[in-house]
Amino acid sequence: GENVEQHPSTLSVQEGDSAVIKCTYSDSASNYFPWYKQELGKRPQLIIDIRSNVGEKKDQRIAVTLNKTAKHFSLHITETQPEDSAVYFCAARHAQSNYQLIWGAGTKLIIKP
Amino acid sequence: NAGVTQTPKFRILKIGQSMTLQCAQDMNHNYMYWYRQDPGMGLKLIYYSVGAGITDKGEVPNGYNVSRSTTEDFPLRLELAAPSQTSVYFCASIPLAGAGGELFFGEGSRLTVL
Repeated sequence: GENVEQHPSTLSVQEGDSAVIKCTYSDSASNYFPWYKQELGKRPQLIIDIRSNVGEKKDQRIAVTLNKTAKHFSLHITETQPEDSAVYFCAARHAQSNYQLIWGAGTKLIIKP
Repeated sequence: NAGVTQTPKFRILKIGQSMTLQCAQDMNHNYMYWYRQDPGMGLKLIYYSVGAGITDKGEVPNGYNVSRSTTEDFPLRLELAAPSQTSVYFCASIPLAGAGGELFFGEGSRLTVL
């Protein structure tokens, strides 16, 4: 079955710098890759997603890139702000999986003032 | 729309007790899921349903049961609670297939088994 690995587990960056979180997946048939942000004590919320027919997607300060050959995808956050502090989860979904997501273990992003 | 509503938000159980976590959505979503999230970890799928009357096991179904008698409701039953079931439980839903990938989550139910 699908397996998703996420690195690093903790990332500390200076406010205003960029942050990059990477995920690798094992099943080449996976075709949908979302990123969720979870603030402390809250529910996960979708921040950006990408489908396998696209290599990159941007939404203001957030971007996701996908390398299907290497089976990895990354979240890029530019000009980080204190409100970006949270745990970020990547996930992968197989085309025939009844919309089941396989989740990474999460990255705790700390923005230092 | 209220979205996905979970009750209770917090519960403490004794070992061996049973309880039901309630989940309801008012968005007419077909697909519903139950996840558990252990401290500092990602989400693990317990059970899911693709429509009323249809349920299936996820990655970690042992110790749990579900039912889906209506489109709106997807309760999760814990039988004979064990300390290993201490976790935060999230219910989530998505619309019909092909309508988009975003999971709509409830606020979560924090369960402690002592």
